[in-house]
Amino acid sequence: QKEVEQNSGPLSVPEGAIASLNCTYSDRGSQSFFWYRQYSGKSPELIMSIYSNGDKEDGRFTAQLNKASQYVSLLIRDSQPSDSATYLCAVNTGADRGSTLGRLYFGRGTQLTVWP
Amino acid sequence: ETGVTQTPRHLVMGMTNKKSLKCEQHLGHNAMYWYKQSAKKPLELMFVYSLEERVENNSVPSRFSPECPNSSHLFLHLHTLQPEDSALYLCASSQVPTPDTQYFGPGTRLTVL
Repeated sequence: QKEVEQNSGPLSVPEGAIASLNCTYSDRGSQSFFWYRQYSGKSPELIMSIYSNGDKEDGRFTAQLNKASQYVSLLIRDSQPSDSATYLCAVNTGADRGSTLGRLYFGRGTQLTVWP
Repeated sequence: ETGVTQTPRHLVMGMTNKKSLKCEQHLGHNAMYWYKQSAKKPLELMFVYSLEERVENNSVPSRFSPECPNSSHLFLHLHTLQPEDSALYLCASSQVPTPDTQYFGPGTRLTVL
C-alpha cells in the first residue's frame, strides 16, 4: 500500500508567521509531488508542484523536496487569515506495470488556522 | 465555461434510485478521474480514463459505473447506493504523460438516504 502521511494538526499560527506543513511518503519510485489547498466545502486547488530535490518558491509559498528522506514540505510565509484551509499533500507514484497512467495518492490533510 | 465543471453540485437520492454525475473539462486534457472524499479519510481514486486505457480501483463497488464518451466528458452512473456512499465526489483532469498535474472540479455533494 502506497502511503502519504501528513502531520495531523490542526496547526494554528498568528497572522504574519511562517506556517510549516510536512509530508512523508512510502514509495521511493514517486516522481512528482503536489500541494493542494482545500477550503471547507470546496474542492482542492493546486498551490505548488515540485519534481526535483531542493526548494521551489512561488510568492509566499515554498515547497521543499528531499527524495532521499522521502519528505516534502510546504512553507507559507507571512501567513494570512485567508490561508486558513486544509492543505493536502499528493504524490504521483508513476504508472503501474502495463499502464501509462500515474496514480496520485493523497494524505489526510493538515488543517491550518491563521488567527489575526 | 472554464476549467473543470461538474453537475449537479448537490444530489440527494434514495437507495433504490438511479442517477448520474456529469463532469466536463475545458482544458484540452487527455485524462479524467473520479475521486471520492469522505469525512476524515484521504481522497480516494475511483476511476481513471485516458484515450488509451481505463484504470479502476478494485475496491470500488459495482454500484458505481463510469462512462467516458470522449476526452472532455466523464460520467459516474449510480444505482442502488448505500448510506455510506454519501460523500463529495470530485472529478479531475490532467494531461498525460506529462505534466500530469490534476485539476479538480467543484465536486458533487451526494447524500444517500
